[in-house]
Amino acid sequence: GQQLNQSPQSMFIQEGEDVSMNCTSSSIFNTWLWYKQDPGEGPVLLIALYKAGELTSNGRLTAQFGITRKDSFLNISASIPSDVGIYFCAGRGVGANSKLTFGKGITLSVRP
Amino acid sequence: DTAVSQTPKYLVTQMGNDKSIKCEQNLGHDTMYWYKQDSKKFLKIMFSYNNKELIINETVPNRFSPKSPDKAHLNLHINSLELGDSAVYFCASSNPGLAGGWDIQYFGAGTRLSVL
Repeated sequence: GQQLNQSPQSMFIQEGEDVSMNCTSSSIFNTWLWYKQDPGEGPVLLIALYKAGELTSNGRLTAQFGITRKDSFLNISASIPSDVGIYFCAGRGVGANSKLTFGKGITLSVRP
Repeated sequence: DTAVSQTPKYLVTQMGNDKSIKCEQNLGHDTMYWYKQDSKKFLKIMFSYNNKELIINETVPNRFSPKSPDKAHLNLHINSLELGDSAVYFCASSNPGLAGGWDIQYFGAGTRLSVL
């Protein structure tokens, strides 16, 4: 089946720093999404990408759909303590019956 | 107003019991999902219903039975609970009628199931 790779499992940064997260796949995806999960809550959509090469921003967050359609990255600039959480990439592959697949997530910690 | 609501938020029960988790969405979406998140935070889809019809059924033990009385509700019944069923279960919904709608899923806050 389709798999999405996110690593490392955890990241630790200082408040104010920028951070970049990558998500890769061995197969082509038609859609890439980035979700954030706060402790005790469900995942919330941050950014959705539908076209290869697309670069989209949402406040301090910027995400790109890789040209090869096999990867995506998420950048967070000027991190703040509330950026703490688990960041999941998700993607939908090619095919009418393709379902949304989630990566294993990256837990981000922000030191004040 | 909560868009996707699940009840209960916490569920602690003994092995062998039968339990149900309820999910309701007030977004007018046609499609609803159940996901399981294990202790390593890995999110895996279990089921998906579109307009009350099952469209995705991953390899899930048949002790798990989803029921969709209408398109705003998708409940999950679990028979003969086992220790390995302990996890957080998330309900989600999406609106495939919109461009990209299949993909933008709205999640509930989760039900934390502990089987003792």
